[in-house]
Amino acid sequence: AQSVTQLDSHVSVSEGTPVLLRCNYSSSYSPSLFWYVQHPNKGLQLLLKYTSAATLVKGINGFEAEFKKSETSFHLTKPSAHMSDAAEYFCVVSVSTSGTYKYIFGTGTRLKVLA
Amino acid sequence: ETGVTQSPTHLIKTRGQQVTLRCSSQSGHNTVSWYQQALGQGPQFIFQYYREEENGRGNFPPRFSGLQFPNYSSELNVNALELDDSALYLCASSRDMKETQYFGPGTRLLVL
Repeated sequence: AQSVTQLDSHVSVSEGTPVLLRCNYSSSYSPSLFWYVQHPNKGLQLLLKYTSAATLVKGINGFEAEFKKSETSFHLTKPSAHMSDAAEYFCVVSVSTSGTYKYIFGTGTRLKVLA
Repeated sequence: ETGVTQSPTHLIKTRGQQVTLRCSSQSGHNTVSWYQQALGQGPQFIFQYYREEENGRGNFPPRFSGLQFPNYSSELNVNALELDDSALYLCASSRDMKETQYFGPGTRLLVL
């Protein structure tokens, strides 16, 4: 079965320092992977998506993620954290079952940015 | 182009009651998926509608039901509410079944 595992439930960084949010996936074939961000009391916003076109994916707000098949990882990075990046981040895999395309979410990583 | 909208934003119900949540999909999108996000957890897939037909559902009981209308807007109905139904309900629309899903702001349901 396809799934994603987010390795850290909480990450704290200082403003201006790099961000690394880790995600490993499990899939029997080339997956479609996404990162979404959820600010407090808000819906989910798409940061970026991987659909096998390129292993390094650039997203919005300076975020990027690298698909590494050998490590089954899809970690999210940003060179310099801003206060506005504080939010919950979800790694997601798209799963196709009998013609239904549903998202399987990781458990989330809460990013805290310290001044 | 307007995004996905949901109504109401917040709702309080009591156990045993019924509730209807609404979702307007993004222009040009024919697929709507519904998710339940309990506090502190990731969203869980409830079901998906494609061109007015249910196109698969997750591990939710039949008291969770839905509709999709000709304009591709959608409703989620929950009967016989239980305390554990308290959650953020998210609607997502996509251009087609395989395409990227775009989420609305959600409806927060509290069952007392």
